[in-house]
Amino acid sequence: DIQMTQSPSSLSASVGDRVTITCRTSQNIRNYLNWYQQKPGKAPQLLIYAASTLQSEVPPRFSGNGSGTDFALTISSLQPEDFATYCCQQSYSRPYTFGQGTKLEIK
Amino acid sequence: QITLTESGPTLLKPTQTLTLTCSVSGFSLNTSGLGVGWIRQPPGKALEWLALIYWDDDERYSPSLKNRLSITKDTSRNQVVLTLTNMDPLDTAIYYCARRKSSGIYYNWFDPWGQGTLVTVSS
Repeated sequence: DIQMTQSPSSLSASVGDRVTITCRTSQNIRNYLNWYQQKPGKAPQLLIYAASTLQSEVPPRFSGNGSGTDFALTISSLQPEDFATYCCQQSYSRPYTFGQGTKLEIK
Repeated sequence: QITLTESGPTLLKPTQTLTLTCSVSGFSLNTSGLGVGWIRQPPGKALEWLALIYWDDDERYSPSLKNRLSITKDTSRNQVVLTLTNMDPLDTAIYYCARRKSSGIYYNWFDPWGQGTLVTVSS
């Protein structure tokens, strides 16, 4: 199985801050990497697929980059609704695996 | 609007069998390239992919649970059913179903997801 390691596991930030969350995979997955946002009690929502393609209706303050084994999700200017948990998922090979999540909290 | 809704028991005893239904609307289970997957999330833990069924009835399972899992679909009822046998307290989790969409062979993602259903296993 491909192991997914996210960092940090939690992050405190303020509205307007720029934040970056990283995801490292245990083997080369090219750019077959997705990012999801999950709010408490809600289902995960797709933000980015193929490492850098923004899902429709996702605000452009979200961006993703990376390839191979190292990936990043960046939020350019945090908004109140962005405080949530973010996780990555590889789609390169089954079993599909997810990162453990990064909880983004208000400072 | 595409929606997926999970339903099934909320409490099971160890060794019992879990049967969950995912009712979908807004798309057809026969649409080429689409699939429906099941993913679970134990309390405080990471998401774990369980199973996937494609438009052509091809089934895929997590190797770690393959011997206990079964996934089927009923296109006429717009439902996908997941069965997990021999439940254990470690199977306590929120179980989600999600549409699997793809672009090419490797680009695929889960979107949207159902709201999830909490299944607790306890004696």
